[in-house]
Amino acid sequence: GEDVEQSLFLSVREGDSSVINCTYTDSSSTYLYWYKQEPGAGLQLLTYIFSNMDMKQDQRLTVLLNKKDKHLSLRIADTQTGDSAIYFCAETTHVNSGYSTLTFGKGTMLLVSP
Amino acid sequence: EAGVAQSPRYKIIEKRQSVAFWCNPISGHATLYWYQQILGQGPKLLIQFQNNGVVDDSQLPKDRFSAERLKGVDSTLKIQPAKLEDSAVYLCASSSRTSGGPYEQYFGPGTRLTVT
Repeated sequence: GEDVEQSLFLSVREGDSSVINCTYTDSSSTYLYWYKQEPGAGLQLLTYIFSNMDMKQDQRLTVLLNKKDKHLSLRIADTQTGDSAIYFCAETTHVNSGYSTLTFGKGTMLLVSP
Repeated sequence: EAGVAQSPRYKIIEKRQSVAFWCNPISGHATLYWYQQILGQGPKLLIQFQNNGVVDDSQLPKDRFSAERLKGVDSTLKIQPAKLEDSAVYLCASSSRTSGGPYEQYFGPGTRLTVT
């Protein structure tokens, strides 16, 4: 079955880089996603990467994908206090009738201190 | 563009009582999802609708949970009777795509259910 694993907690200082790691199991996943959840809010898509890519950069965000090891990481450059939130890694899983859905990890809580 | 709306935001009930949650997806989004997010965990898919048809309900505890999406727009999720372990945040999401991708799921703020 599908399973997504993440480290539970990361603490950094403002201005430092943050790296959040994730491992997934479904080798057929076509897209992998990073979602952000702030307290009391729903999830918000941050970025995604197609499975045939190794890296994707989007402003302060860099996603690295090692498909061989099924390892995904999210690097946030110049981390700000507003980046404090829970970050979820998600893989695409395929259900019947050709529809896709997402399987989420348990989330990594990022705490940014001034 | 209005986001995904959910109500109520909070609900406290006693075990064995019934509860219902409502979701209004983004206009034009054919796909609607209900997730259960237990404290400290990621969202777990309960049910996925494509228009008013069920695509996947394999993780829905059908002995106590039910969901419907009449007319392919709004949806309700019901729990009857509730158990203590149902305490969680229930998230609704919608999407304009269902396969291929990438596709973004837009999430509502959730309903926090506490069963005492």
